[in-house]
Amino acid sequence: EDQVTQSPEALRLQEGESSSLNCSYTVSGLRGLFWYRQDPGKGPEFLFTLYSAGEEKEKERLKATLTKKESFLHITAPKPEDSATYLCAVHHFTGGGNKLTFGTGTQLKVEL
Amino acid sequence: EAQVTQNPRYLITVTGKKLTVTCSQNMNHEYMSWYRQDPGLGLRQIYYSMNVEVTDKGDVPEGYKVSRKEKRNFPLILESPSPNQTSLYFCASSLDRGASPLHFGNGTRLTVT
Repeated sequence: EDQVTQSPEALRLQEGESSSLNCSYTVSGLRGLFWYRQDPGKGPEFLFTLYSAGEEKEKERLKATLTKKESFLHITAPKPEDSATYLCAVHHFTGGGNKLTFGTGTQLKVEL
Repeated sequence: EAQVTQNPRYLITVTGKKLTVTCSQNMNHEYMSWYRQDPGLGLRQIYYSMNVEVTDKGDVPEGYKVSRKEKRNFPLILESPSPNQTSLYFCASSLDRGASPLHFGNGTRLTVT
């Protein structure tokens, strides 16, 4: 069964304390992996797309990487404004065509 | 400004009273979709539309209807809401199905009593 799992469910960091969020997937026919940020009371906001193993994308304090089984979102020296829920979504083939499957997210809180 | 607009943001209703949640996008996107977000279950797709007059079921379509009469609008209709449809709903649009990033609205929090 196609599955996307994010860990940890919640993460508390001190400002400046770097860490990584994980998105592991078991799907057939990966076409791409997306990372989104969701703030309370808002819709998810697009961050990155990764297409193939070994690919990396960076934006400010965030860096996303992809392997054949998982993706990591590395957060370097986080600030309180990085607090949000981070979602990953996998675009893949299924019997019925293309599909986008979301993970349940990692809730990140960065404290002063 | 490019955006997806949903209305209303909050809605409280009673079992069986028909309701419509509107969604409009100003990016000329062909693909539009509705999701519901529940704790521990993540975002699950309800219905999607590849273009005008083309709609299809997602993973959790039961109890919902949609229509796509114009490219920019994609309303979600609950003909007879039930308490298990209490959820946070998001409309999203993109250039195509799956390959391009989704642009989400800010959500509609629905409570059915």
